[in-house]
Amino acid sequence: AQSVTQLGSHVSVSEGALVLLRCNYSSSVPPYLFWYVQYPNQGLQLLLKYTTGATLVKGINGFEAEFKKSETSFHLTKPSAHMSDAAEYFCAVSAPNTGNQFYFGTGTSLTVIP
Amino acid sequence: GAGVSQSPSNKVTEKGKDVELRCDPISGHTALYWYRQRLGQGLEFLIYFQGNSAPDKSGLPSDRFSAERTGESVSTLTIQRTQQEDSAVYLCASSQWTENYGYTFGSGTRLTVV
Repeated sequence: AQSVTQLGSHVSVSEGALVLLRCNYSSSVPPYLFWYVQYPNQGLQLLLKYTTGATLVKGINGFEAEFKKSETSFHLTKPSAHMSDAAEYFCAVSAPNTGNQFYFGTGTSLTVIP
Repeated sequence: GAGVSQSPSNKVTEKGKDVELRCDPISGHTALYWYRQRLGQGLEFLIYFQGNSAPDKSGLPSDRFSAERTGESVSTLTIQRTQQEDSAVYLCASSQWTENYGYTFGSGTRLTVV
């Protein structure tokens, strides 16, 4: 079975500061991992994904995430926060050959302080 | 179409009435999902369709909820005898069969039961 835990339902950072959103997963098989972003009053948009290969993946808007198997983590980072990054972020896991269902975390709301 | 289309975007209904929500997936996407997102909460899986296979209905919260999909086309989510706790954003997503593509989400239907 797969599950996702996002530590911190709310994160506040100053504009220009590092963004770190935490995601830990549980999976009985090597997982596929995803980060989605939801801007106010909009649908979810894929930020980045890890499937196989390089464990550091880069996504849109300067975000990146690193798959660390030993820590069962897939934390999302951005070196310098921008006001436009304020949104809800969801981590998700799926497992190959299990029917393509995704399991989402409960989300982290990012606030950027000017 | 270019994206996942959901209609209506907003629906206000009286308690006890039935509602029908529509999702038009991306052409060629064999998998379709419905999720529910209550205010300030994460995504709650409802139902999953994959091609002509029997749908995974394990997330439907009660027998008042049902969903249909014909082949790889439009899906409708029906809620009978709506209750106030049904108020939420209902999100539809579609994906290609292989799990590493991730989902493409629609913008959702915001349902308010008064």
